[in-house]
Amino acid sequence: QKEVEQDPGPLSVPEGAIVSLNCTYSNSAFQYFMWYRQYSRKGPELLMYTYSSGNKEDGRFTAQVDKSSKYISLFIRDSQPSDSATYLCAIGEPGTASKLTFGTGTRLQVTL
Amino acid sequence: DGGITQSPKYLFRKEGQNVTLSCEQNLNHDAMYWYRQDPGQGLRLIYYSQIVNDFQKGDIAEGYSVSREKKESFPLTVTSAQKNPTAFYLCASSIPWPNYGYTFGSGTRLTVV
Repeated sequence: QKEVEQDPGPLSVPEGAIVSLNCTYSNSAFQYFMWYRQYSRKGPELLMYTYSSGNKEDGRFTAQVDKSSKYISLFIRDSQPSDSATYLCAIGEPGTASKLTFGTGTRLQVTL
Repeated sequence: DGGITQSPKYLFRKEGQNVTLSCEQNLNHDAMYWYRQDPGQGLRLIYYSQIVNDFQKGDIAEGYSVSREKKESFPLTVTSAQKNPTAFYLCASSIPWPNYGYTFGSGTRLTVV
């Protein structure tokens, strides 16, 4: 079993839809949760960061963490064609010298 | 502007050759990382370094080598021992603690010809 599981998609939604992207993890020691967005042939860019259970909102993006279920989500409201990218979750644990474990990424396509 | 620069953007390697990928950062980050990205497999850690003159193997270090002689620079050499080197290579940097995430470079696509 992988430490972090993420559905690879692709996920295709119409413009304006609400998108839900998810990851599950197996190690209860994980404390830091991030979402990265990666456009084709580019490096990932940090989108959201949280270290606690609950919700964190930033504009159209909401990150949700449920430590009891070992489940994290990223919601995108009013999705735009410019949101079309691959979204990677990344998780870290204390004491591992800042190493992150990445999901495989979910490819999202927002259509007009 | 602070950032992390990878070069070249595209690189072609002949069988049996060693090639070196460059990674330079001006973010004053102590930690630097090399990842390999293949379709359907996500990011796999090759090597990482927490401090100058020190580095550790990641999950797939075989066939790769690194050096960390300067804080700003963390070059990756893909040796001829790496049998399947065609991939997208990403360099990243971060502060060692707390874990606020990485800043990534724009990547180097290596192709064996």
